[in-house]
Amino acid sequence: TQLLEQSPQFLSIQEGENLTVYCNSSSVFSSLQWYRQEPGEGPVLLVTVVTGGEVKKLKRLTFQFGDARKDSSLHITAAQPGDTGLYLCAGSGGSNYKLTFGKGTLLTVNP
Amino acid sequence: DAGVIQSPRHEVTEMGQEVTLRCKPISGHNSLFWYRQTMMRGLELLIYFNNNVPIDDSGMPEDRFSAKMPNASFSTLKIQPSEPRDSAVYFCASTPGGTNTGELFFGEGSRLTVL
Repeated sequence: TQLLEQSPQFLSIQEGENLTVYCNSSSVFSSLQWYRQEPGEGPVLLVTVVTGGEVKKLKRLTFQFGDARKDSSLHITAAQPGDTGLYLCAGSGGSNYKLTFGKGTLLTVNP
Repeated sequence: DAGVIQSPRHEVTEMGQEVTLRCKPISGHNSLFWYRQTMMRGLELLIYFNNNVPIDDSGMPEDRFSAKMPNASFSTLKIQPSEPRDSAVYFCASTPGGTNTGELFFGEGSRLTVL
């Protein structure tokens, strides 16, 4: 069974601060997705990374896939209250449909 | 365009009662997934349909859970009889194809509380 560990589990910061959250596994994934989930809503895809070492930027969010495709990080610059939510990573392995989700990092950005 | 539509949004029921959750996937999407989310276990895949056919139901907890997809625009997840440990948020998601590198489009979820 492939497992994804996300850290930290909870993070509360002030507006304007930078932060990094992590997604780690002992398994290799063919691709990894990051989703954001707001209270009372379903997760929404932010990005998919496929190549080891790949870096993708989405405005103030920077996503990196580890060289060995076992881990990923999400860095947010100058966090804003609108960034508040549950950040989930999800990896795909050998099957062509099954995503393994981490439990998420719950981020709160205080104004 | 309408997203994935789930109903009910909230359900409170008593132990032993039957619960039916409903999902309308995005039109044209041929893969449908049912997930369950809890604080303890996160998001767990319950069942996956492709072209209305159940492909993988290994995540269904036990015989009390069943899911159907009678046509491309409708799926149900049924729990009978319900138990307090079934309390969770149940999500339906759809994708255009059967591969796992594409985006999963989630509904808003059905929050189930079993007393």
